[in-house]
Formats: sequence, structure tokens, C-alpha cells
Amino acid sequence: AQSVSQHNHHVILSEAASLELGCNYSYGGTVNLFWYVQYPGQHLQLLLKYFSGDPLVKGIKGFEAEFIKSKFSFNLRKPSVQWSDTAEYFCAVIPFYGNNRLAFGKGNQVVVIP
Amino acid sequence: DGGITQSPKYLFRKEGQNVTLSCEQNLNHDAMYWYRQDPGQGLRLIYYSQIVNDFQKGDIAEGYSVSREKKESFPLTVTSAQKNPTAFYLCASSLSLGKVSFFGQGTRLTVV
Repeated sequence: AQSVSQHNHHVILSEAASLELGCNYSYGGTVNLFWYVQYPGQHLQLLLKYFSGDPLVKGIKGFEAEFIKSKFSFNLRKPSVQWSDTAEYFCAVIPFYGNNRLAFGKGNQVVVIP
Repeated sequence: DGGITQSPKYLFRKEGQNVTLSCEQNLNHDAMYWYRQDPGQGLRLIYYSQIVNDFQKGDIAEGYSVSREKKESFPLTVTSAQKNPTAFYLCASSLSLGKVSFFGQGTRLTVV
């Protein structure tokens, strides 16, 4: 079964700092990749996704992620965070073939200090 | 206004009782899912359904049951056999398996 690893579960940083959250997966075949975000008190929503094409994808609110196939990684970045980026971020992977089950990482709890 | 509705938002039950969590979607999606979210554990898949009248066990199905009699509805029953039922439960749907999932607001179940 595929697994998804997210490191540094708790991240605390100041406004205007840069953010990078790592995501590695174990599945060797073709995959679809997602980052979801859960703001305090709100439902989980899609931040960005990669299915094919340009490995650098841009999402909402200035976030971007880069798919590096050789490293089985899909890291999320934002050059300058704001207080409103305080949230929990989840990486998710689904194999293109096989059981088509979405596997989530354990999440990164990000707190941005004003 | 399309979306996924989970009800209720908070639910309290006594130990030993079965409880059913509601999930309804009006997005015309074929696939629906139930996840359990625990602090530091991420989201774990309980059950999923590709299409009406079909469902499959996820990674932590023991102590849970589902039905999919209608396309728009995918209720989850937490049975007394579930050893640690207190958790936050999330329902999701997607156009089909592998597509972008949309999530409900969640139900926080507390068993006392």
C-alpha cells in the first residue's frame, strides 16, 4: 500500500518568512498528487494538484508545489507567509492505476506569528 | 449551492450504542468516502464507494458500517464494536475515484 510522509508536524514561523513543507510518497507508479489545507474551524479544501505536465504547479493564495519524480516528492512552498496561512496542511497521493485510494500524510500544523 | 453536508456537527453517545453519521452531497459525484481524523494521525480511510450500491473497506473499517442506497447519500454507522470511536469524522466526494475530493465540515463524535 502506498504511504505518504510529511515531516516536521509542527511549524512555527513569522510573517513574511518563507515556508516549505516536505511530502514524500512510497508508490512507484504514476500518481496524482494533492495538497489540501484546513484553516481553523473550516472544512478541508484543495490548495493545488498535480496530474501531469509542468511539474511546478501553482495553487491558490500564492502557494506552489514541485513534483520531483526521481525523489518521489511533492513539496509545498510559499515565499512569504501571512498570518492567515495558519492552518493544517495535508499532502495526499492517489495511484493512477490500482486501488485508486487517496492516501493522506499526517499533516503539518503551521502557525504564523504576526 | 452545491456541496457536501454532514450532520450533526457535534454528536455525543454513550458507550455501547451504535450511532449513524449523515453525509449528503448534491454535486452529482459518483464516489464518496469516509475518513477519520485524529490529532497527529492525518486522515485515515474508513470506507469508500465508487458508485451506488457498491462500497469497499478502507484501511480502518473494523467497527464501522456504511450503505450507499442513493447516489447523494453515504451514511456511516459507528458500531459498539469500534474500540475507540471518539474522533472527528470527515465525509468527501469526487466525480470518480482518483479525481479531486471535496470535503464536508465534519462531525465530531464523542463517546462517553
